Amino acid sequence: QKEVEQDPGPLSVPEGAIVSLNCTYSNSAFQYFMWYRQYSRKGPELLMYTYSSGNKEDGRFTAQVDKSSKYISLFIRDSQPSDSATYLCAMSVSGNQFYFGTGTSLTVIP
Amino acid sequence: GAVVSQHPSWVICKSGTSVKIECRSLDFQATTMFWYRQFPKQSLMLMATSNEGSKATYEQGVEKDKFLINHASLTLSTLTVTSAHPEDSSFYICSARDQRHSSSGYTFGSGTRLTVV
Repeated sequence: QKEVEQDPGPLSVPEGAIVSLNCTYSNSAFQYFMWYRQYSRKGPELLMYTYSSGNKEDGRFTAQVDKSSKYISLFIRDSQPSDSATYLCAMSVSGNQFYFGTGTSLTVIP
Repeated sequence: GAVVSQHPSWVICKSGTSVKIECRSLDFQATTMFWYRQFPKQSLMLMATSNEGSKATYEQGVEKDKFLINHASLTLSTLTVTSAHPEDSSFYICSARDQRHSSSGYTFGSGTRLTVV
């Protein structure tokens, strides 16, 4: 079983839709959770960084962590074509070594 | 925010030659940097942890004699792919974290696309 599971998609939504991206994990010791956005042929760009459980909001992006269910989510409101990218979740026990999901490919259609 | 610069962004080399990739933290010092490899449509796989002033720590299955890592200063780590072969063609990415900001995540470089012909 992989440490982190993420549906690779692809996910296609119309512009303005709310997007929900999810990851599940098996290691209950994970405490640090991150979401990255990666455009084609580019390095990942950090979107959200959370510690332990709870919600965190930044503009159109909301990250949720449910440690009891070992489930994290990233919500994108009012999605834009520029949001089209691959979204990677990552998590860590100590904040040092991170385990990545395989990424979900998102396309927002104008 | 923290910026990590990676160079070159792409390189094509002949089989059997060596290629050096540089990773610099531009506005912060990084005692630790990480090197990842990413194959098409796959996630990032950690190759090694680069430690300033000491030997790198390699993940299981990564040949340390093939992927040489040097972290000679607090702002620079290099990855050298020695005697490259076509199967080494991949996207190599480094990352580091600004320890001054405990709430920050890791920042990635822009990546280096290596093609071995």
